[in-house]
Amino acid sequence: EAQVTQNPRYLITVTGKKLTVTCSQNMNHEYMSWYRQDPGLGLRQIYYSMNVEVTDKGDVPEGYKVSRKEKRNFPLILESPSPNQTSLYFCASSLSVRGETQYFGPGTRLLVL
Amino acid sequence: AQSVTQPDIHITVSEGASLELRCNYSYGATPYLFWYVQSPGQGLQLLLKYFSGDTLVQGIKGFEAEFKRSQSSFNLRKPSVHWSDAAEYFCAVDFNVGGTSYGKLTFGQGTILTVHP
Repeated sequence: EAQVTQNPRYLITVTGKKLTVTCSQNMNHEYMSWYRQDPGLGLRQIYYSMNVEVTDKGDVPEGYKVSRKEKRNFPLILESPSPNQTSLYFCASSLSVRGETQYFGPGTRLLVL
Repeated sequence: AQSVTQPDIHITVSEGASLELRCNYSYGATPYLFWYVQSPGQGLQLLLKYFSGDTLVQGIKGFEAEFKRSQSSFNLRKPSVHWSDAAEYFCAVDFNVGGTSYGKLTFGQGTILTVHP
C-alpha cells in the first residue's frame, strides 16, 4: 500500500531533550516536506526537500533540523525542544515539485513540557 | 505578500443542505489550488486540485470547486451534505513562479464543518 508513515504518533517530552520524528514514504517520491499544524493557523511548512541531499527552509524552520540521506526517509530533528514546539506535525511527499499532489502522513502529536 | 484566507472558521449546515466553503488568495498570477479535508484524528486527504484549464473542477466525495480569477477565489461546493462530511477543510495554494512549482503549499486557516442531522 502506498503511504507515508510517521513515528512516533504521539510523544511527550521535556524541554531540551533532543528528539527525532521519522518520516518514510514507499512511493519513490522525490519531494518531501514537514508541516506543523496549530489551531487557527492552518499548516505551516517547516522544511522541504526536492531530492536526496537537497533541503531548504520553509516558513517556520527555527528550532528544527532535517536530513535527506535516502530518498524514502526525511526525519525531523528537534535538537533542543521548547514548549512553543508543542504541535501536530505532518510529513508529506509528492512525486515531484511540479504541482503534484502531496500525500500526507497520519501526523505526530508532540507535547513539550 | 502572498496569502490564503478562509473567511469562515466554523460552518454549520443541516444534512442534505448545500455547502459552499470560501477560499481567497492574494497573488499576482494564477497559482495551483488545492482543497484538503481532515477528519478528526486523521491526516489530510486531497479532495480536488486546479492547475489550469476548465475552471470548474470535480473532486472526490461529490465535491467540486470553481476557480474565479477575477475574484482570486477557489470556493468548494457540495450540493447535498452528508453527516460523514463533518471535518475540517483546508484550502492550499502553490504560489508557483511562471508555472514552476517549488513544492511549497501555503494553507488557509481551515474551516470546521459541523453537520446537523
